[in-house]
Amino acid sequence: GNSVTQMEGPVTLSEEAFLTINCTYTATGYPSLFWYVQYPGEGLQLLLKATKADDKGSNKGFEATYRKETTSFHLEKGSVQVSDSAVYFCALRLGTGANSKLTFGKGITLSVRP
Amino acid sequence: EPEVTQTPSHQVTQMGQEVILRCVPISNHLYFYWYRQILGQKVEFLVSFYNNEISEKSEIFDDQFSVERPDGSNFTLKIRSTKLEDSAMYFCASSEGGGGNQPQHFGDGTRLSIL
Repeated sequence: GNSVTQMEGPVTLSEEAFLTINCTYTATGYPSLFWYVQYPGEGLQLLLKATKADDKGSNKGFEATYRKETTSFHLEKGSVQVSDSAVYFCALRLGTGANSKLTFGKGITLSVRP
Repeated sequence: EPEVTQTPSHQVTQMGQEVILRCVPISNHLYFYWYRQILGQKVEFLVSFYNNEISEKSEIFDDQFSVERPDGSNFTLKIRSTKLEDSAMYFCASSEGGGGNQPQHFGDGTRLSIL
């Protein structure tokens, strides 16, 4: 079946540090890949997406590149801020129609210290 | 920017009682979903809904669960006889299209606590 694996957390960084959150996937086919972010007390917000191999999604200084050869979609940011503290979920979506549900990874909590 | 809205934000219910969670998807969206997140665990798919019928449901979505779009705007999840293990955050989502590249937009969730 389809699955998403995220690195174990939590992750604690100092402000302005470089961030990498690893995500790999297993899928029968060619999924679209997403990063969602959940700020404290809030719902899931789409952070970025990539729909085919070698696509790079970017938003708010975050980037992730769809790597088909390594089945990965690692999230990176060059300089994190305290406001980036949140839970980050990697997800895939495969197929078409209403059957194309999102499959999520476990999520990882990021805490950024001032 | 249009958003998915969910009510209530927190629902406390006695075990065995019925509960209805409400969602208003983004107005031009056609595909609707419910997910849940048990505390500390991953977000899990429950059900997808399109053209007034269920398209897919997970093994979690048993006979105690039902969904309905009673009018042109609301999308509800009903749990007929709640159990302790139903305690979770429930998220509604919608998407404009059904393609795999279409993002799903989520509401802020309803925290359901079963006593």
